[in-house]
Amino acid sequence: AQKVTQAQTEISVVEKEDVTLDCVYETRDTTYYLFWYKQPPSGELVFLIRRNSFDEQNEISGRYSWNFQKSTSSFNFTITASQVVDSAVYFCALSENTGNQFYFGTGTSLTVIP
Amino acid sequence: KAGVTQTPRYLIKTRGQQVTLSCSPISGHRSVSWYQQTPGQGLQFLFEYFSETQRNKGNFPGRFSGRQFSNSRSEMNVSTLELGDSALYLCASSLEVFGVGGYTFGSGTRLTVV
Repeated sequence: AQKVTQAQTEISVVEKEDVTLDCVYETRDTTYYLFWYKQPPSGELVFLIRRNSFDEQNEISGRYSWNFQKSTSSFNFTITASQVVDSAVYFCALSENTGNQFYFGTGTSLTVIP
Repeated sequence: KAGVTQTPRYLIKTRGQQVTLSCSPISGHRSVSWYQQTPGQGLQFLFEYFSETQRNKGNFPGRFSGRQFSNSRSEMNVSTLELGDSALYLCASSLEVFGVGGYTFGSGTRLTVV
């Protein structure tokens, strides 16, 4: 079973539209960390955010916001008023204490059309 | 502050050869992890080193090995290359083990095996 599931393989939106990238995770740990990374065409993965399992507060950073819900094991990422520069592959990831493992989802390729 | 530096950026090798990839982490980061990224398998964890010790290893054959030096620089070696080893190899450094503080990734080494 996948530890981190990103069901959306590819998404295309028109510039200025809002878009939500879904992430569902699976873990038995009570302490864990969730992440989002962005991989632009240049190839370098860029760290966007980290949440620990005890902090369910949503977070907003500029046009980016994250909705963490333990009840549904989801950690969704919304881009408001998307821009062409947001075009990239976005990865959700999980770090567990047990087994000391770090898992990436398969990524969602976002294309923002001008 | 210099980022994570990976060398070389591109490599072409012949089946059966061996290859060594290098990674210099961000100054002060003692954890270095290696990932293999392919279109079919996504991002797969290879291994992590912390203070010159391998802390964790992914599900890869013994042909894949690594080490970390006292200055935290790390090398990854792949022996007896196979066509399926063609991939983008990403190095990531972090302050804490298992990337819980968030990884900083390098730009990767694109390995092509012919």
